Amino acid sequence: KAGVTQTPRYLIKTRGQQVTLSCSPISGHRSVSWYQQTPGQGLQFLFEYFSETQRNKGNFPGRFSGRQFSNSRSEMNVSTLELGDSALYLCASSQVGLAGAETQYFGPGTRLLVL
Amino acid sequence: GESVGLHLPTLSVQEGDNSIINCAYSNSASDYFIWYKQESGKGPQFIIDIRSNMDKRQGQRVTVLLNKTVKHLSLQIAATQPGDSAVYFCAENQAGTALIFGKGTTLSVSS
Repeated sequence: KAGVTQTPRYLIKTRGQQVTLSCSPISGHRSVSWYQQTPGQGLQFLFEYFSETQRNKGNFPGRFSGRQFSNSRSEMNVSTLELGDSALYLCASSQVGLAGAETQYFGPGTRLLVL
Repeated sequence: GESVGLHLPTLSVQEGDNSIINCAYSNSASDYFIWYKQESGKGPQFIIDIRSNMDKRQGQRVTVLLNKTVKHLSLQIAATQPGDSAVYFCAENQAGTALIFGKGTTLSVSS
């Protein structure tokens, strides 16, 4: 099976812009979770989508949003970018997601740099 | 082998040594625990998991120990190899909630 894929792998934006990141889960996985990884804060949960519905949400401002499509692919959007949004954004997929406490498999991440 | 007390950010070992990486988890209601390995430029890679009804689980060269009394998790790597050099994260999970990750330990293996 192919693993979790994320596009793009690298992105440079300027403050105030918006960005959309894409994630394709492992085939058959219906849950997609997004995480932000920074040196200072480590890995922090953004949100989880399951069957096109946001099921869990972390403690991030409303500038961070996401969606999931019927084929389980997911996108996350960050509007009005700030310098502090520079991070590695990771997507993880699993079959039933957080409701079932099961292993999540991560993609390679998208490295976002905000200038 | 080398071992770490409750979370140290780095661990340096010689090739062939056994490594022990420790993690203290926060939620006594967590019932599922995972160890991930993250190499530079890559996403976290699943190593091994354990549920709260177990104390020990073994994989290939890796063993996870769970002590629920003191909320402590450890990862033991036997015969550590240079390819094991990476950052190791523990994660805890309670059904219905998000994974909570530990701070990570950087393992450096010298040959």
